[in-house]
Amino acid sequence: EIVLTQSPATLSLSPGERATLSCRASQSVSSYLVWYQQKPGQAPRLLIYDASNRATGIPARFSGSGSGTDFTLTISSLEPEDFAVYYCQQRSNWLITFGQGTRLEIK
Amino acid sequence: QVQLVESGGGVVQPGRSLRLSCAASGFNFDSYEIHWVRQAPGKGLEWVAVISYAGTNEYYADSVKGRFTISRDSSRNTLYLQMNSLRAEDTAVYYCARESDWSLDYWGQGTLVTVSS
Repeated sequence: EIVLTQSPATLSLSPGERATLSCRASQSVSSYLVWYQQKPGQAPRLLIYDASNRATGIPARFSGSGSGTDFTLTISSLEPEDFAVYYCQQRSNWLITFGQGTRLEIK
Repeated sequence: QVQLVESGGGVVQPGRSLRLSCAASGFNFDSYEIHWVRQAPGKGLEWVAVISYAGTNEYYADSVKGRFTISRDSSRNTLYLQMNSLRAEDTAVYYCARESDWSLDYWGQGTLVTVSS
């Protein structure tokens, strides 16, 4: 089973600042890495697929990068609605695993 | 528009069974793998199971293998999760989600399952 480790666990920033979230895989997942955003009481929302492709309707301030085992989600300039929990996810041999999440909170 | 609507959650005693449903609309149900993902209160996301678009392949997380069964009915555009021998640690919100390009692009709103005596 591929384990995904996200860091930091919590990130405290102010609106307008740049956010950098990390996801590391225990073995290579090529570029098959996905990012989700989840707000309280809501289902997760797809942000980025294939490591760097924005999903439909996702603002350009969200970007993803990386390949192999190290991946990054960057939010260029935080808006108030971006404060949420972010998860990375991979799929291999039909099985899916998620990272433990990074909570992005207002400083 | 694509919609996934879960139902069937509730409070159940340990050791008992429950069946969840996920009604799909707005897309060709027979063309997509569908997953169940759960989230215990205050915790992260945990993948539970997947069924292939034709219903011929099923895969499960080790934590539910042998107790849960995923199935689909293309005539009703509905996905199911039969949960047997429920444990307290199965308490969670259960989401169904459609897979596309190795990602889960549409999710339902979730249904809460509470296992408690």
